[in-house]
Amino acid sequence: GAVVSQHPSWVICKSGTSVKIECRSLDFQATTMFWYRQFPKQSLMLMATSNEGSKATYEQGVEKDKFLINHASLTLSTLTVTSAHPEDSSFYICSARDPAVNTEAFFGQGTRLTVV
Amino acid sequence: GQNIDQPTEMTATEGAIVQINCTYQTSGFNGLFWYQQHAGEAPTFLSYNVLDGLEEKGRFSSFLSRSKGYSYLLLKELQMKDSASYLCAVMDSNYQLIWGAGTKLIIKP
Repeated sequence: GAVVSQHPSWVICKSGTSVKIECRSLDFQATTMFWYRQFPKQSLMLMATSNEGSKATYEQGVEKDKFLINHASLTLSTLTVTSAHPEDSSFYICSARDPAVNTEAFFGQGTRLTVV
Repeated sequence: GQNIDQPTEMTATEGAIVQINCTYQTSGFNGLFWYQQHAGEAPTFLSYNVLDGLEEKGRFSSFLSRSKGYSYLLLKELQMKDSASYLCAVMDSNYQLIWGAGTKLIIKP
């Protein structure tokens, strides 16, 4: 099946700094990628939908100036958490759909972000 | 509004069978997914149903009834490694995935 690679797997950063998370589709071109956040013992929460070559669509309540999404190519989307605070500590997961198989969503490995 | 309901937690015994139910109310329907998620890991795909009926895949089977807005995931011959959360998700008319909160399955020896 299709592979989505997410990097880094975990990161610890100081409060006030920015962190960039990369999501790559390795064997297909993903015109659309999705960014999720998941707090412990809770389900996935969609943060934004990233479209190649255009601005991301953010879900209600998600600050677009804080969570910067760039989808510059068909195989790469990045999420930058700017001016991170401890409450941003969470598990961030990206997913992408292969347009040729418009059903299954393939997930990256996830990034565990801890802000201290 | 859109809603996916599934039990919060279930407990079963190793070697037994367990059925995890999912009911949904969404704006349109383009298929229902089941994912398995172990703690600290990303979800992994288990099954996809878009037509009514039962889809069998090894020890796991998934059933769908679109008229009832209902699905279940059936796990047979339970193994300890099956302890995980099981997420039900529905793709709506805009091809967006609507996620349930997940069912934590605890397997006891």
